[in-house]
Amino acid sequence: DIQMTQSPSSLSASVGDRVTITCRASQTISSYLSWYQQIPGKAPKLLIYAASSLQSGVPSRFSGSGSETDFSLTISSLQPEDFATYYCQQSYSNSITFGQGTRLEIK
Amino acid sequence: QVTLKESGPALVKPTQTLTLTCTFSGFSLSTNGMRVSWIRQPPGKALEWLARIDWDDDKFYSTSLKTRLTISKDTSKNQVVLTMTNMDPVDTATYYCARSHHSTYFDYWGQGTLVPVSS
Repeated sequence: DIQMTQSPSSLSASVGDRVTITCRASQTISSYLSWYQQIPGKAPKLLIYAASSLQSGVPSRFSGSGSETDFSLTISSLQPEDFATYYCQQSYSNSITFGQGTRLEIK
Repeated sequence: QVTLKESGPALVKPTQTLTLTCTFSGFSLSTNGMRVSWIRQPPGKALEWLARIDWDDDKFYSTSLKTRLTISKDTSKNQVVLTMTNMDPVDTATYYCARSHHSTYFDYWGQGTLVPVSS
């Protein structure tokens, strides 16, 4: 299976900060990379698909970039509702895998 | 409006077989490109994809769990069923079903159902 490694595992930041989360695949996955946001007790929510396409209804402060093995999710100006856990997911292989998650906390 | 909802037992004993049902509305699993997956999340841990069934009845399973999983669909009832055999306490998790369409990213998710495994 393709392994997805996120960094950092956790991150403290303040409202208004710009933050970047990275995701590395163990082999090339082209642009078959998605990002999800999960608030405790809720189902994950799709933010970004195809590495850099913004899902409908998602604020433009979220952006994604990367290809092949290295990807990133950037939040340009953190809002209070953005404090959550973020997951990357590859769909290059039919055996889909997720990263271990990045917990974004309020500083 | 697309919705999915998972249902299953409140408690499963070790060695038993788990049967989960995903009942959905707002789309048809007979539509070209439509797919439904099952994903689980142990308490405090990461998401783990389990299985997927496609509109054409193609099926795909997690490499590590494929010997224990069976996925099926009932298009007329708008349901997808997942069975997992030989349940163990480490299988305690919230189980989600999720939709994808002409892709393998998940644009709609159910609310999840917590399945404890305990004697």
